Amino acid sequence: AQSVTQPDIHITVSEGASLELRCNYSYGATPYLFWYVQSPGQGLQLLLKYFSGDTLVQGIKGFEAEFKRSQSSFNLRKPSVHWSDAAEYFCAVGSNDMRFGAGTRLTVKP
Amino acid sequence: EAGVAQSPRYKIIEKRQSVAFWCNPISGHATLYWYQQILGQGPKLLIQFQNNGVVDDSQLPKDRFSAERLKGVDSTLKIQPAKLEDSAVYLCASSWGGTSGNTGELFFGEGSRLTVL
Repeated sequence: AQSVTQPDIHITVSEGASLELRCNYSYGATPYLFWYVQSPGQGLQLLLKYFSGDTLVQGIKGFEAEFKRSQSSFNLRKPSVHWSDAAEYFCAVGSNDMRFGAGTRLTVKP
Repeated sequence: EAGVAQSPRYKIIEKRQSVAFWCNPISGHATLYWYQQILGQGPKLLIQFQNNGVVDDSQLPKDRFSAERLKGVDSTLKIQPAKLEDSAVYLCASSWGGTSGNTGELFFGEGSRLTVL
């Protein structure tokens, strides 16, 4: 069965610093992979997705993620974090049967 | 383009009472999902509809939860009777869900927050 693991429950970074959020997945075939962001009291917004092709995908708000099949990972990165990036981030796998990780809460220090 | 609409945004009930949540997906989206998000956890799929048929309800507690999507558009999720552990945000999502060219992208509503006392 497909599953997603986000090892970091909470990460704190300083504004302007780089960010990497980890995601590992288990899936029987070539996965569809997603990163969503959720601000307090809001629904989930898609940041980026991977279906096939180039393993480095670009998303909105300056985020990118790299698919590494050998490591079953799909880590999210941003070179310079802004205070407005503070939110909960969810990695998800699947297509019509999407499964989410438990999320990583990002705090941004001034 | 209008997004996924959900109501009510907030609901407080006592245990053993009933509650219903409503969802209107993006126009033309064939697939509709209900997720339960307990505080501090990721969303958990409760039920998935393709048009007005159920695709997956394996994680729906059928003794107390029910959902329908009459006419393949709006959907209602009902809990009766509610338990304390049902306190959560109930997220509705929709996707194009066609048999070809399905991007798999889900569009989420803002959720309905349920508190059971």
